[in-house]
Amino acid sequence: DTGVSQDPRHKITKRGQNVTFRCDPISEHNRLYWYRQTLGQGPEFLTYFQNEAQLEKSRLLSDRFSAERPKGSFSTLEIQRTEQGDSAMYLCASSLGPARYEQYFGPGTRLTVT
Amino acid sequence: AQTVTQSQPEMSVQEAETVTLSCTYDTSENNYYLFWYKQPPSRQMILVIRQEAYKQQNATENRFSVNFQKAAKSFSLKISDSQLGDTAMYFCAFMKHVGSRYSGAGSYQLTFGKGTKLSVIP
Repeated sequence: DTGVSQDPRHKITKRGQNVTFRCDPISEHNRLYWYRQTLGQGPEFLTYFQNEAQLEKSRLLSDRFSAERPKGSFSTLEIQRTEQGDSAMYLCASSLGPARYEQYFGPGTRLTVT
Repeated sequence: AQTVTQSQPEMSVQEAETVTLSCTYDTSENNYYLFWYKQPPSRQMILVIRQEAYKQQNATENRFSVNFQKAAKSFSLKISDSQLGDTAMYFCAFMKHVGSRYSGAGSYQLTFGKGTKLSVIP
């Protein structure tokens, strides 16, 4: 068990550029979650996958955001036409399911939009 | 919608002493789970302890224990024998459950409070 990993750990981009983040969950965890955390706040839910199916999306996930989990293993989160307000820590978590609901978090990707 | 409130933005405790972090939540759900997560400086979020709402017994994990008061919608965390490594942001989180515990269906998103910054002083 190597834990949840995320790549990159830090990303600096200019406003208007597209960025993509990757999350590798704990192996055999079929549930994967994305959260966003801004300074001084707790994480906020963005979206959730069970295997390859995206089952829930927050209204925080604007049209510029898209997430995929094509083979039910790793996931990507893409932000198109980044804005300064997108600057945040993007956290990924996974859980085993269905009766094991504890979520285990990765180290996060810190995005800075200049 | 669920809300989680942590009324103590910052707290400090002397090493080896005991400290209690407060958390209240608002929900109309009957079946749910509560968690405390720890986020050390520049490090990832770690699950500290969890509590199922249907269990009356308070959860305990080594030096960490909770006081779960369902009627009052309160879920406080007690840290005994505080250690320097306990210095971190602590987040209280709520998860509602919809559907059978074993069917795999339902919503599993976590709703977090704003956190309490705990400093353990040598």
